[in-house]
Amino acid sequence: AQSVTQPDIHITVSEGASLELRCNYSYGATPYLFWYVQSPGQGLQLLLKYFSGDTLVQGIKGFEAEFKRSQSSFNLRKPSVHWSDAAEYFCAVGGTSYDKVIFGPGTSLSVIP
Amino acid sequence: GAGVSQSPSNKVTEKGKDVELRCDPISGHTALYWYRQSLGQGLEFLIYFQGNSAPDKSGLPSDRFSAERTGGSVSTLTIQRTQQEDSAVYLCASSYRKNIQYFGAGTRLSVL
Repeated sequence: AQSVTQPDIHITVSEGASLELRCNYSYGATPYLFWYVQSPGQGLQLLLKYFSGDTLVQGIKGFEAEFKRSQSSFNLRKPSVHWSDAAEYFCAVGGTSYDKVIFGPGTSLSVIP
Repeated sequence: GAGVSQSPSNKVTEKGKDVELRCDPISGHTALYWYRQSLGQGLEFLIYFQGNSAPDKSGLPSDRFSAERTGGSVSTLTIQRTQQEDSAVYLCASSYRKNIQYFGAGTRLSVL
């Protein structure tokens, strides 16, 4: 069955520090992978996506993620975190265009000024 | 507007009452999803509409929950005989291709 795990429930980093949020998935075929961000009181916004090709994908707001098939992982990274990056981050996996997408439980990011 | 619109933004109701939540997807998007997000929790899939296909209702938690999508556009999520555990934010998303979902701001439901 499809599933997504995000091992870190909550992470705190200092502003300017680097960030890595972990995501592991279980899927029977080549997955479509997504990272979304949710600011307080808002809906979710797509940060980046992987469908095929280059396993390192760039997204908005300076984020990137790397697809590692051997590890079933799609970790999100940012070299230097800004205070405005404090939010909830969700990893998600889907299949063909007509399959529903499964979301992970989310990682809450706090940023210390 | 260009985005997904949900109404109302907030709904307070009494236990046992029925509520209807509305979602206006982005024009032309063939897929529409409803999710529930309880306080501090992730997204719980509820129901998925794709074009004219039968909806995937596998996530609906009980028969008190139902949803319809009229004319392949607007969707209404109905909760009958609301319970306190139904209190949550209900998110709607629409999609056109490759499952890239565009989310509304949600409806915060409080059942007293």
